[in-house]
Amino acid sequence: SQTIHQWPATLVQPVGSPLSLECTVEGTSNPNLYWYRQAAGRGLQLLFYSVGIGQISSEVPQNLSASRPQDRQFILSSKKLLLSDSGFYLCAWSAGTGYNEQFFGPGTRLTVL
Amino acid sequence: AQKITQTQPGMFVQEKEAVTLDCTYDTSDPSYGLFWYKQPSSGEMIFLIYQGSYDQQNATEGRYSLNFQKARKSANLVISASQLGDSAMYFCAVFPYGQNFVFGPGTRLSVLP
Repeated sequence: SQTIHQWPATLVQPVGSPLSLECTVEGTSNPNLYWYRQAAGRGLQLLFYSVGIGQISSEVPQNLSASRPQDRQFILSSKKLLLSDSGFYLCAWSAGTGYNEQFFGPGTRLTVL
Repeated sequence: AQKITQTQPGMFVQEKEAVTLDCTYDTSDPSYGLFWYKQPSSGEMIFLIYQGSYDQQNATEGRYSLNFQKARKSANLVISASQLGDSAMYFCAVFPYGQNFVFGPGTRLSVLP
């Protein structure tokens, strides 16, 4: 069966510090991968998605970047965090074709102080 | 652009009763998928049910069913025999063909003993 991992689970970082959040998927190959951000009490905002190694699409301009160095690894990064980067970050995967549901990881709660 | 409306920010239901969570969507694409997710306080997003835009019958998954009214662009989630563990945020999402998921703002459901 497929599983998706995210770490760390929680993170507190000062403004201006770098960020690296990692997401890995097991039990499937060539998944579509997604990064979402969820502000407190709000819905999900799609940040990035990837249909293959090295292929990244950005949905909104922001202070963040994403990379996919391996088929089942998706990384969210920032060189300098802003206060507005605080939120709950969720990674998700889906099978590559059709109306396939997205399966989500446990999330990372990021607080920027 | 796609848009999802969930008009009920909060709902209460008595244990063992049924509850309907509303969802309307706005898409010009003729082909799309509709999804419902549950997010308990732990933060993880749990896939509940899927409805394709060309499906003739309403989707059902255990205690969950989807009241799909295509002409009205409505995809309400019905939870039968509510349980205390159903207390969570519920998100509706639309997935137009060839595009990405768009999530609604969510409805917080509280099940009362």
